[in-house]
Amino acid sequence: AQTVTQSQPEMSVQEAETVTLSCTYDTSESDYYLFWYKQPPSRQMILVIRQEAYKQQNATENRFSVNFQKAAKSFSLKISDSQLGDAAMYFCAYRGPNTGNQFYFGTGTSLTVIP
Amino acid sequence: NAGVMQNPRHLVRRRGQEARLRCSPMKGHSHVYWYRQLPEEGLKFMVYLQKENIIDESGMPKERFSAEFPKEGPSILRIQQVVRGDSAAYFCASSPGTSGASYNEQFFGPGTRLTVL
Repeated sequence: AQTVTQSQPEMSVQEAETVTLSCTYDTSESDYYLFWYKQPPSRQMILVIRQEAYKQQNATENRFSVNFQKAAKSFSLKISDSQLGDAAMYFCAYRGPNTGNQFYFGTGTSLTVIP
Repeated sequence: NAGVMQNPRHLVRRRGQEARLRCSPMKGHSHVYWYRQLPEEGLKFMVYLQKENIIDESGMPKERFSAEFPKEGPSILRIQQVVRGDSAAYFCASSPGTSGASYNEQFFGPGTRLTVL
């Protein structure tokens, strides 16, 4: 089974600074999808960014970008110009190539933004 | 277009009672997934359903848990004879199930937090 590892249980960043959250995964598939979800205290799962494995270009969504290293099976999330509203749990997730494939989630990183 | 709806948002049950959690997928979505999040952990897959069919229940405990997605109405996750270890947040997600820009994405509901006393 695929596994997703987030080795940083907690991270903190100063407001307006940049922070990088780490994620590694294990898979034998060549085509797959990777996601970062944000879970604020409300517990709603909010999609932050996604990456298709067949695309070499790193995905970017406004202040959020990823560093996707397929050979190293690494998928880190960079948050630039951090804002207080970015404080939340962040989950990395893997999904296989086929319709209906389940998501595999990491254990999460709790991000604190310091004013 | 309303998002994925789950109710109730909070559910309290005593040991031995039954818990019924409901999920209405986004309009036009025919695929439903249930995940469980234990305290301090990530979401773990339980079951994947299409209308009237269970496609993959590999993450579902063998006893006391069942799920359905009838032709009409919401998907139901049912937990019989609840125990304290069932206390968790249960998330439902839906996807269109067809090709397109977002077919590989799952849209999550707000979750149901189950507390077993």
